[in-house]
Amino acid sequence: TAGITQAPTSQILAAGRSMTLRCTQDMRHNAMYWYRQDLGLGLRLIHYSNTAGTTGKGEVPDGYSVSRANTDDFPLTLASAVPSQTSVYFCASSDQSNTGELFFGEGSRLTVL
Amino acid sequence: GESVGLHLPTLSVQEGDNSIINCAYSNSASDYFIWYKQESGKGPQFIIDIRSNMDKRQGQRVTVLLNKTVKHLSLQIAATQPGDSAVYFCAEKKSNFGNEKLTFGTGTRLTIIP
Repeated sequence: TAGITQAPTSQILAAGRSMTLRCTQDMRHNAMYWYRQDLGLGLRLIHYSNTAGTTGKGEVPDGYSVSRANTDDFPLTLASAVPSQTSVYFCASSDQSNTGELFFGEGSRLTVL
Repeated sequence: GESVGLHLPTLSVQEGDNSIINCAYSNSASDYFIWYKQESGKGPQFIIDIRSNMDKRQGQRVTVLLNKTVKHLSLQIAATQPGDSAVYFCAEKKSNFGNEKLTFGTGTRLTIIP
């Protein structure tokens, strides 16, 4: 079972350009999440979706947008990238929205120059 | 505000020895705690969880201890193996809140010395 698949694995992006990080899960989980991970700051929630068709803002949503058109896909878009968005991005899912057990992808390393 | 912190950022343990990773939390309203393991280049992986009505829970080679009096959480790994080398995160929330309220600590890097 693939679980969570993220793409691309890594990307270098010029400031001001747009970028979409893709996330697909094959576990039919209702809830999905996007985190960014920065050294010394741990994992911070960007956006989440507790069910298809709904999304919510996390701790650090500015500069990011998400959509949840179906259960399996949860893309994260940076409309106009800035260097402070250089980070490792993790997508995660859970079968229930409140269990605390999240299944993470392998991450997407984004560098904005 | 809420915070989930770790006492030590790094820990080195001889292979075969037991290790203890500590975590302090400040939100007394939290009643659900989780440990995650993150190997280099990979995403975090759920290890074990504990609710506030328990003070100890055991898994395979791992034990989580919860001391609500001092708001302290620890993860004990018995008979450590090279594969235990990773960064370990604690996380906390109220059990009836959604996972979007899950707060992660900054992590402790555990290195197993062969």
